[in-house]
Amino acid sequence: EVQLVESGGGLVQPGGSLRLSCAASGFTFSSYAMHWVRQAPGKGLEYVSAISSNGGSTYYANSVKGRFTISRDNSKNTLYLQMGSLRAEDMAVYYCARQLCPGAFDIWGQGTMVTVSS
Amino acid sequence: QSALTQPRSVSGSPGQSVTISCTGTSSDVGGYNYVSWYQQHPGKAPKLMIYDVSKRPSGVPDRFSGSKSGNTASLTISGLQAEDEADYYCCSYAGSYTLGVFGTGTKVTVL
Repeated sequence: EVQLVESGGGLVQPGGSLRLSCAASGFTFSSYAMHWVRQAPGKGLEYVSAISSNGGSTYYANSVKGRFTISRDNSKNTLYLQMGSLRAEDMAVYYCARQLCPGAFDIWGQGTMVTVSS
Repeated sequence: QSALTQPRSVSGSPGQSVTISCTGTSSDVGGYNYVSWYQQHPGKAPKLMIYDVSKRPSGVPDRFSGSKSGNTASLTISGLQAEDEADYYCCSYAGSYTLGVFGTGTKVTVL
């Protein structure tokens, strides 16, 4: 079964750090660009970051640039999002998603909640 | 990138058709045939319903169709069913070296 499973979410204080993981199975992970998309409580979807299939190219939303780092380990079929200097506005469910083609994501994880609060 | 503009809500009775618009600019929706649509039920992950403006992934009912004219894309749900009640988001590619952009989201209510 083609699947993405996120982990690593939780409660963190403002200014703190957290690393999210996304474990892929059922498909050739190294062949696909991957993305992180977040959704604040009661709000819409927001692009966070993307990485090319070989990890050579990365992209970030202006809101997280310089604070978040996306990476992947194709030998472990795992995508990561290292989040630092976390703010209240970063609180959201974070989804990882597989890119089917430009601008389209066909497989999504179940999401992991990040809560930023003191 | 500014979010694509969608109506906050649309509604229809079972069996009717509803259309959701998604308005962007020539830098995103109008510049590429890479618009996708997602259905999201409460507490669930988004589900891809349409990609490349009008293509349907395997398993998506043909009641769902997509189109585009200029800077505005549209999703039409024909023969509305109770299970279609959900939030819908559009998304557009915005060129190399940038992330794409999502729409503001539309809540579809089946009356």
